[in-house]
Amino acid sequence: KNQVEQSPQSLIILEGKNCTLQCNYTVSPFSNLRWYKQDTGRGPVSLTIMTFSENTKSNGRYTATLDADTKQSSLHITASQLSDSASYICVVNTVFSGGYNKLIFGAGTRLAVHP
Amino acid sequence: EAQVTQNPRYLITVTGKKLTVTCSQNMNHEYMSWYRQDPGLGLRQIYYSMNVEVTDKGDVPEGYKVSRKEKRNFPLILESPSPNQTSLYFCASRKAETGAIGNTIYFGEGSWLTVV
Repeated sequence: KNQVEQSPQSLIILEGKNCTLQCNYTVSPFSNLRWYKQDTGRGPVSLTIMTFSENTKSNGRYTATLDADTKQSSLHITASQLSDSASYICVVNTVFSGGYNKLIFGAGTRLAVHP
Repeated sequence: EAQVTQNPRYLITVTGKKLTVTCSQNMNHEYMSWYRQDPGLGLRQIYYSMNVEVTDKGDVPEGYKVSRKEKRNFPLILESPSPNQTSLYFCASRKAETGAIGNTIYFGEGSWLTVV
């Protein structure tokens, strides 16, 4: 069964600290993996997209890694800011026969950054 | 500015009263889809459309209808809403995929729907 599991479910850190969020997936075939940031009550916003051949991608203070062999990804946030408080969603894209792309969403990690 | 616009943003309605949530995108995207988001669950796809007049069911289509008569619009229709359709709904769009690279998906701001 195609699944995306994220951990931890929630996390509290102090402003200025680093943190790492985890994503494990069993999706096959794999096309690409995406990380999204979702502020409370808002639509998700894309942070990174990685294909099979990419094992790291950065977007400012956000760095995503991908290990396609172990089917794991992580999102590292450096020098956290209060505005980083949000849910972070891991999404894996698979491709079915006929070329139809399907996104499998994780349930997200809720991050709270405290002053 | 690239936008996916949903309306209404907030709605409280009664069981059985038909309603439509509109979605419009200004990026000439081929692909549009609807998701619902419930506490503790990932976004679940309701319906998607790969282009005008081409729609198909997602993972949770029961109780919903869609249409794609124009490229920019993809309304979600609840013919007879029930309380279990109380949820946060998102419309999304992207260009048609070409290869594994993956095109950015743009989400609307969400529509909070409560059915009493």
